[in-house]
Amino acid sequence: EAGVAQSPRYKIIEKRQSVAFWCNPISGHATLYWYQQILGQGPKLLIQFQNNGVVDDSQLPKDRFSAERLKGVDSTLKIQPAKLEDSAVYLCASSLRSAGGRGTDTQYFGPGTRLTVL
Amino acid sequence: AQSVTQLDSQVPVFEEAPVELRCNYSSSVSVYLFWYVQYPNQGLQLLLKYLSGSTLVKGINGFEAEFNKSQTSFHLRKPSVHISDTAEYFCAVSLTGNQFYFGTGTSLTVIP
Repeated sequence: EAGVAQSPRYKIIEKRQSVAFWCNPISGHATLYWYQQILGQGPKLLIQFQNNGVVDDSQLPKDRFSAERLKGVDSTLKIQPAKLEDSAVYLCASSLRSAGGRGTDTQYFGPGTRLTVL
Repeated sequence: AQSVTQLDSQVPVFEEAPVELRCNYSSSVSVYLFWYVQYPNQGLQLLLKYLSGSTLVKGINGFEAEFNKSQTSFHLRKPSVHISDTAEYFCAVSLTGNQFYFGTGTSLTVIP
């Protein structure tokens, strides 16, 4: 079974530039998560999708961050414009949970995209 | 709000020695608890999870954790570590199974 795929693995940009990250979850997984992991900290949830709908985006800085999962499969996270403090690893995860499901599903994480903003 | 505290940011331990990584959480209601491991340049991998039932949970790679409700703790243990266990370990808590709150991580270094 293929895991969660993310690209690119590394990205270096100047502040005020734009950047986009791509994630392809495990086939059949309904739920997709984007996390931000700043060096020395644990992952922080940015946004959670259930199929193509947003379940939770309370910690997403909406003035500069946006995310979509139009067909309920792969997803794109965008930052526009980037700031120095956006330097982090951006992790994508997916889980099997379908709409209305209860309990917990294991989250499977991709390798992450390491963003450096200069 | 939920929070997770991992008191030890770095834990060095000799090979084949036992190790305990500490995790405390704050919540006034029942929670789900998890330990994840992150190897260099890789994503997080689930080690084990507590949902309900037995308070002693066994996971992969010989790790286990014990849920202690009165002390709001979920410490991770392994009786004998290997070089390959060198990694970052994250404790996480979830109320609903949706949003996860992660600790700041503990860097385990196994010394030959």
